[in-house]
Amino acid sequence: QVQLVQSGAEVKKPGASVKVSCKASGYTFNTYSVNWVRQAPGQRLEWMGWINAANGNTKYSQKFLGRVTITRDTSARTAYMELSSLSSEDTAVYYCARCLAGTYCLGSAAFDIWGQGTVVTVS
Amino acid sequence: DIQLTQSPSFLSASVGDRVTITCRANQDISNYLAWYQQKPGKAPNLLIYGASTLQSGVPSRFSGSGSGTEFTLTISGLQPEDFATYYCQQLNTYLLNFGGGTKVEI
Repeated sequence: QVQLVQSGAEVKKPGASVKVSCKASGYTFNTYSVNWVRQAPGQRLEWMGWINAANGNTKYSQKFLGRVTITRDTSARTAYMELSSLSSEDTAVYYCARCLAGTYCLGSAAFDIWGQGTVVTVS
Repeated sequence: DIQLTQSPSFLSASVGDRVTITCRANQDISNYLAWYQQKPGKAPNLLIYGASTLQSGVPSRFSGSGSGTEFTLTISGLQPEDFATYYCQQLNTYLLNFGGGTKVEI
């Protein structure tokens, strides 16, 4: 069964950092990219960035440049998203999602497998 | 950045209705558009990609069309489990942003 399982809920103080993990199973981890998307309460989905699991190349949304770092550990089949300098505006559910097109997520692509979400509360 | 505008934001419908949701881009994105369904407290679920390709396992009552700047998602014969929020997403260029969502309710 193809799935992504994320780490548990986090409560952080303003100014702190949070690191969320996303463990893949049921498919060859390094043949797909992993994206990170967040959703603040009552808001739209917001793409944060992605990592090519094969070579570790990353692409980040301009909004989060300098605050977000996406990494992966191929031996652990796990991707990570770390967000620093947290504020109350970062309170959201954070999702990881696999790109169905493989390692390059543009064109006739989409996010076909999603993690269950990780609630991050900054207070 | 490419902006995606969905309409309507809210849609009241009944079981059996034919429902159409529109997503407009502020510049040409070819057919690089996906549609997702999201239920409360759950992760989004992929319905359509490449503007019109039905994702495996998705019921055939869902269909997508369009290219360039205007796209539609149609649900032919709304079922009780279809009451949810629907989002479009462009994959033409980074930022891979989403539309504002359309909530389909009874």
